[in-house]
Amino acid sequence: EAGVAQSPRYKIIEKRQSVAFWCNPISGHATLYWYQQILGQGPKLLIQFQNNGVVDDSQLPKDRFSAERLKGVDSTLKIQPAKLEDSAVYLCASSRDSNQPQHFGDGTRLSIL
Amino acid sequence: QKEVEQDPGPLSVPEGAIVSLNCTYSNSAFQYFMWYRQYSRKGPELLMYTYSSGNKEDGRFTAQVDKSSKYISLFIRDSQPSDSATYLCATNTNAGKSTFGDGTTLTVKP
Repeated sequence: EAGVAQSPRYKIIEKRQSVAFWCNPISGHATLYWYQQILGQGPKLLIQFQNNGVVDDSQLPKDRFSAERLKGVDSTLKIQPAKLEDSAVYLCASSRDSNQPQHFGDGTRLSIL
Repeated sequence: QKEVEQDPGPLSVPEGAIVSLNCTYSNSAFQYFMWYRQYSRKGPELLMYTYSSGNKEDGRFTAQVDKSSKYISLFIRDSQPSDSATYLCATNTNAGKSTFGDGTTLTVKP
């Protein structure tokens, strides 16, 4: 079974620029998550999708972050404009259903200059 | 106060030691409990997943959950240098919302 695929692995941008991350979940997984992991901390949930609908985006900074999951498969997370405090690893995870174990990709490491 | 508090570490042990990693949580809505292992520059890897109080064993790993005390533990027997990583505890509600601890970094010295 192929794992969760994320790209790019690394991204360096200047503040106020925009950036997008892509995630391809494990085939057949209905639930998809985006997390932000700041150095030295655990992952913090940004948004949870069930198929192509949003279940929870309560911790997503909606003035600058957006996410979509078209056709209930791949997903993109966008930041526009980026701030220095957005420097972090952005992790995507998927699970068969919402109360099943999550499987993570290796993340995108974002550095803001 | 965070909903999931994890012993911060870091932890350094000799090879072959028994390791105990611990977390507490505050929200009674948490029904599922997980332990993840995260190597440097990698995503978290699921080690253990349980939804009931008691012990669950998988090889050298034992997860222990005490819902009455809101306390979860991971024990690693016969620790190996390859176990050196950051260990994250996590909890889920029935709706699948996950909350993670901040991790404990473990180093197993040969």
